[in-house]
Amino acid sequence: GNSVTQMEGPVTLSEEAFLTINCTYTATGYPSLFWYVQYPGEGLQLLLKATKADDKGSNKGFEATYRKETTSFHLEKGSVQVSDSAVYFCALSDGYSGAGSYQLTFGKGTKLSVIP
Amino acid sequence: EAGVAQSPRYKIIEKRQSVAFWCNPISGHATLYWYQQILGQGPKLLIQFQNNGVVDDSQLPKDRFSAERLKGVDSTLKIQPAKLEDSAVYLCASSPPSGEQYFGPGTRLTVT
Repeated sequence: GNSVTQMEGPVTLSEEAFLTINCTYTATGYPSLFWYVQYPGEGLQLLLKATKADDKGSNKGFEATYRKETTSFHLEKGSVQVSDSAVYFCALSDGYSGAGSYQLTFGKGTKLSVIP
Repeated sequence: EAGVAQSPRYKIIEKRQSVAFWCNPISGHATLYWYQQILGQGPKLLIQFQNNGVVDDSQLPKDRFSAERLKGVDSTLKIQPAKLEDSAVYLCASSPPSGEQYFGPGTRLTVT
């Protein structure tokens, strides 16, 4: 079956530090890959996505590249801010099953705390 | 545009009691999902609806969990009777035909 493995947290960084959160996956076929972010007290929000190998998703200064050869989709940001403190989830979808129907498999999440 | 609404936000019950959660998806979204998120884990899909029909409920513990979406809009998830291990955040999400899922804020359930 499908699975997603993320680096364990929590991760604590100083403001303006470089961020990497590792994510690897196991799936049949060619999944789409996602990063979701969950701010305290809020629901999950899509941060970025990539739908095929070598695609790079980017949003709000975050980037992740779909690496098929290493089955990875690591999240990076060059300079984190206090406002980036949240839980980050890597997820995959292994296909479109019709009429708005994608199923997501999530990793366990990585909590990021950014201190001033 | 209003997001996915869920209520209540928090619920505390004793084991063996019953509880129900409500979700109102984004207007026009035909697909609705319920997830269970146990502390320290990622969300796990419980059930997926397409309009008022069930697409997938293979991971729903049907001996105690039930869900419905009678008019293809709002949905209710029920647990009866609750167990201690049901303590979790229950997330509702909806999606348009493009497939991107939009999540509600969740209902945090504590079973004592």
